[in-house]
Amino acid sequence: EPEVTQTPSHQVTQMGQEVILRCVPISNHLYFYWYRQILGQKVEFLVSFYNNEISEKSEIFDDQFSVERPDGSNFTLKIRSTKLEDSAMYFCASTDHSYEQYFGPGTRLTVT
Amino acid sequence: SQQGEEDPQALSIQEGENATMNCSYKTSINNLQWYRQNSGRGLVHLILIRSNEREKHSGRLRVTLDTSKKSSSLLITASRAADTASYFCATVLAGGGADGLTFGKGTHLIIQP
Repeated sequence: EPEVTQTPSHQVTQMGQEVILRCVPISNHLYFYWYRQILGQKVEFLVSFYNNEISEKSEIFDDQFSVERPDGSNFTLKIRSTKLEDSAMYFCASTDHSYEQYFGPGTRLTVT
Repeated sequence: SQQGEEDPQALSIQEGENATMNCSYKTSINNLQWYRQNSGRGLVHLILIRSNEREKHSGRLRVTLDTSKKSSSLLITASRAADTASYFCATVLAGGGADGLTFGKGTHLIIQP
């Protein structure tokens, strides 16, 4: 069964450094998402991406964040200058016309 | 304000019993989805119910939606130890079928063997 994959599974970085989180959505899906979950809190929507552009973003998704689909398979989230409060699990998700979102296993980002 | 609030926050039952979780939301929705998350893992989609549907079944899962009360329930019948997980409802606002999901805080379900 096709699945969303994410790399790395765990990323440790120092405050102020740039990180890129990578995702490979399910191949025939058209809509792509990033969410985050701070430890012990609920899952929060960051951004959605369709037809090679951002279709929706939350208040969390400020100028420090960017997304890109550099080729036909990868979907990336970049955080330009990480802060301690960016430490969280980051989930990528994708969907087709059914709107049921399929999530990857997540990347645990630890900012020290 | 919270869009998607589950109750109870935690539920512990014996294996074989039925588990019911509820979700309330505040604004008009396009659809409501339920997800499961095992500890430290990703989210697994369970079921989607559209705003014009009232009930939906999938295996041991039964979901209801009452748009007049802005609430939904998830029933897991004949629970198993493997059902132990956190369960979240997530909504998509009206007008947005493939928009980002708004999650609630979840119900932590423990199935006692």
